[in-house]
Amino acid sequence: GAGVSQSPSNKVTEKGKDVELRCDPISGHTALYWYRQRLGQGLEFLIYFQGNSAPDKSGLPSDRFSAERTGESVSTLTIQRTQQEDSAVYLCASSLGSSGSSYEQYFGPGTRLTVT
Amino acid sequence: KQEVTQIPAALSVPEGENLVLNCSFTDSAIYNLQWFRQDPGKGLTSLLLIQSSQREQTSGRLNASLDKSSGRSTLYIAASQPGDSATYLCAVRRRALTFGSGTRLQVQP
Repeated sequence: GAGVSQSPSNKVTEKGKDVELRCDPISGHTALYWYRQRLGQGLEFLIYFQGNSAPDKSGLPSDRFSAERTGESVSTLTIQRTQQEDSAVYLCASSLGSSGSSYEQYFGPGTRLTVT
Repeated sequence: KQEVTQIPAALSVPEGENLVLNCSFTDSAIYNLQWFRQDPGKGLTSLLLIQSSQREQTSGRLNASLDKSSGRSTLYIAASQPGDSATYLCAVRRRALTFGSGTRLQVQP
């Protein structure tokens, strides 16, 4: 596609439910990143995939958060037993490469998650 | 741990003024630095990327500089316009991006 796409654009869920957020990176981009931005705060790194390497999960805030990526395409971020503090905009980005290089990251429009 | 700071947090200027946004970072071991703009309710738009070996990049009315050794970058906006009103984010990359908290710019007509 022309850019990074994310779905859904908005998600409202009840506390305690599980949610799945989807990201479709730019075709050919081997690196994929998830970030989140809580209201009034800066962007926080969550997890990063590069090709077939083990993902860098160092930014995940708790074990309720997990992510998968199918090959070098779509990624799904799953939040289990959602809490109100999980309410945020979740942003996905992709780039041509990463390690040892200086590639530009392109961002999707984000998914706004509201936990009630 | 990398920390990125942006000053000022907010800025309001009349149309036509030239302005400078500042970004500082604590760990100089970066691959690149990117400047983004974020409009309310929308994603991030990349403005400029400066690789660690570069000193500056220019795009139209925008010029970004990088002094890696001192951990500083500036974004210069010439002849500001109301359409430039947005939040400007600075981010440095080692593996993933570490973002500053942004400068909220308002350009008054």
